[in-house]
Amino acid sequence: DTAVSQTPKYLVTQMGNDKSIKCEQNLGHDTMYWYKQDSKKFLKIMFSYNNKELIINETVPNRFSPKSPDKAHLNLHINSLELGDSAVYFCASSLRGGRWETQYFGPGTRLLVL
Amino acid sequence: GENVEQHPSTLSVQEGDSAVIKCTYSDSASNYFPWYKQELGKRPQLIIDIRSNVGEKKDQRIAVTLNKTAKHFSLHITETQPEDSAVYFCAALTGANNLFFGTGTRLTVIP
Repeated sequence: DTAVSQTPKYLVTQMGNDKSIKCEQNLGHDTMYWYKQDSKKFLKIMFSYNNKELIINETVPNRFSPKSPDKAHLNLHINSLELGDSAVYFCASSLRGGRWETQYFGPGTRLLVL
Repeated sequence: GENVEQHPSTLSVQEGDSAVIKCTYSDSASNYFPWYKQELGKRPQLIIDIRSNVGEKKDQRIAVTLNKTAKHFSLHITETQPEDSAVYFCAALTGANNLFFGTGTRLTVIP
């Protein structure tokens, strides 16, 4: 059950700090995603990324930036953390990012900004 | 952009009864509709999906129906069991290959 993994599982930090969340998938997938799930359980796409293209949800603040050292990893870096960034962040992956593909989710990272 | 609405937000049923969750979407270009189940503190996991060229799909106790004309799709769970208790999310895949989720339905199956 470690096809998509994330670290850390929990992250508690102060406002204004910069933090990163790591995501790795061992499924050989080409496309990875980041989602934010707020306290109301609403799952919202933040980014999708494959070797060729980064698609950014236009509502995501530019304090959030995905970084991909290779196709098995898509890390999320957050600058100048704000209280409203507190949420659970899920990484996901799919085979090619094509239509009708199942997305496999990581276990989530619960971020709390104090 | 796509807008997915999901109802109800909470649903309680007696064990053995059926549960129905409904979703609507706005983008007529969306043509793939998965359903995810998220148990407390766990990741969302796909339970069933339907493509736009199909009107209904069944997998044991769960079924999904799709009405493309009306832009709505529904999840049906029959003979509910306590382990069906979870939050269920519908989603629609847009033409840009982004998955937009509904707001979730918290299903509680009462033993």
